[in-house]
Amino acid sequence: QVQLVESGGGVVQPGRSQRLACAASGFTFSGHAMHWVRQAPGKGLEWVAVIWSDGSNKLYADSVKGRFTISRDNSKNTLYLQMTSLRVEDTAVYYCARGLGYNNGYILAYWGQGTLVTVSS
Amino acid sequence: DIQMTQSPSSLSASVGDTVTITCRASQGIDDYLAWYQQEPGKVPKLLIYGASTLQSGVPSRFSGSGSGTDFTLTISSLQPEDVATYFCQKYNNDPLTFGGGTKVEIK
Repeated sequence: QVQLVESGGGVVQPGRSQRLACAASGFTFSGHAMHWVRQAPGKGLEWVAVIWSDGSNKLYADSVKGRFTISRDNSKNTLYLQMTSLRVEDTAVYYCARGLGYNNGYILAYWGQGTLVTVSS
Repeated sequence: DIQMTQSPSSLSASVGDTVTITCRASQGIDDYLAWYQQEPGKVPKLLIYGASTLQSGVPSRFSGSGSGTDFTLTISSLQPEDVATYFCQKYNNDPLTFGGGTKVEIK
C-alpha cells in the first residue's frame, strides 16, 4: 500500500534553513507528481508546492516562492523540501502528499503523517 | 488567485441529523472540487472529488454536489465518528487552495 514517511522536522531559528524529506513506498514513485502541504498549529491546510513526476516542473505558493525549493530523487523514491530564510510564520506540520492517480495529480488522496517544523529563537 | 470560502466555520448537531457544509469559490472552477476530513490529531483524508464522486471506502452518508462556484458537502445521518474538521479544496489549477475549514461537533 502507499506509504509516505516525512522526516527532518525540528526547532530552527528564524532566518536559518531546514530540509525535509519524504520517503515513498508501495507505488511507482517516478510516475506521480508530489506535493507538500502544511498546517500551522490549530489552523487550516495550506498547499506549499508541487513537483511533476520527472521533476520538469515545480510550482509554489506565493508565501514560500523564492525561499523554498521542492525536489525529488526518483532513484531513491524520496521527495524533498529545502526551506531557507525561515520565518516564525512557517511554523507548521508539513505533509507530503500524492495525487489520486496519474491523471488526477492534484487530488490529494495519500498523505504522510507529517513532520513538525517550529521556527523560534 | 481563486479564494475558497467555507461556511459555517463550526457547527454542532445531534447524532442522526443531516449536516450541510457550503464552499464557495471566488471564480468558477467547474467541478474541480475535493472535500477532506481531518479527525482530531489525524491526517487529512480524501472524502470526495470531482465535486460529487465518493472516494473508495467512504461511507455513503457523505455526499457532495455543486459546480461552478457553489458546492455542498452533506452528511445525511451524523455519526459520532464524523466529529472532525472538513476542508474543501479547488484543484483546477495552481495554487491549490483550501477553504478555511468547518469544525463539526456532536451536540
